[in-house]
Amino acid sequence: DTGVSQNPRHKITKRGQNVTFRCDPISEHNRLYWYRQTLGQGPEFLTYFQNEAQLEKSRLLSDRFSAERPKGSFSTLEIQRTEQGDSAMYLCASSPASPSGVTSGELFFGEGSRLTVL
Amino acid sequence: SQKIEQNSEALNIQEGKTATLTCNYTNYSPAYLQWYRQDPGRGPVFLLLIRENEKEKRKERLKVTFDTTLKQSLFHITASQPADSATYLCALSYNQGGKLIFGQGTELSVKP
Repeated sequence: DTGVSQNPRHKITKRGQNVTFRCDPISEHNRLYWYRQTLGQGPEFLTYFQNEAQLEKSRLLSDRFSAERPKGSFSTLEIQRTEQGDSAMYLCASSPASPSGVTSGELFFGEGSRLTVL
Repeated sequence: SQKIEQNSEALNIQEGKTATLTCNYTNYSPAYLQWYRQDPGRGPVFLLLIRENEKEKRKERLKVTFDTTLKQSLFHITASQPADSATYLCALSYNQGGKLIFGQGTELSVKP
């Protein structure tokens, strides 16, 4: 399967614990995005990378959230000191982009990582 | 800030009819607008993209229109089938390299 891969698919944790999600994009895609989605809502933008550079981070994202893409390939999203309000589906997407940052537009999404904070 | 609104109520139609979903946005027009399909528990899947200088785009049974005066896009599925039942998301971007902003989605149910 050469699509976007996310792990784990499901994570149940207790409030206050740290969690980390991993995303492996389509291999030739240099642009990688993280979104969060709650029930009945559309995906909410969190952050995106071009290669290893984090180009934008949502102002809605608290300091407890951090994302990395150290070698420009896979990415991790870490949530520290989880709260019940963090329960959501965390979606990763990728797309190809030119060196100047122009993309084809469409995003290729993974199946998501569902987080439940008890 | 930019706001995107889709039909908040679920749309129920009979098989064979045309489904029409609406996406409205505020403020300035995006560089392009996209439509995605999302099934329960799955990630969104890209369907169509339309640019600000395009009025209409078609793909098989799908048609998207883009009216920058009304600040609205319409998404049509002709000859609908039960397999078309899903949530449809509208998304827009203000430049060719920027992030996508999504609407809340409209749930479509096609009854046989």
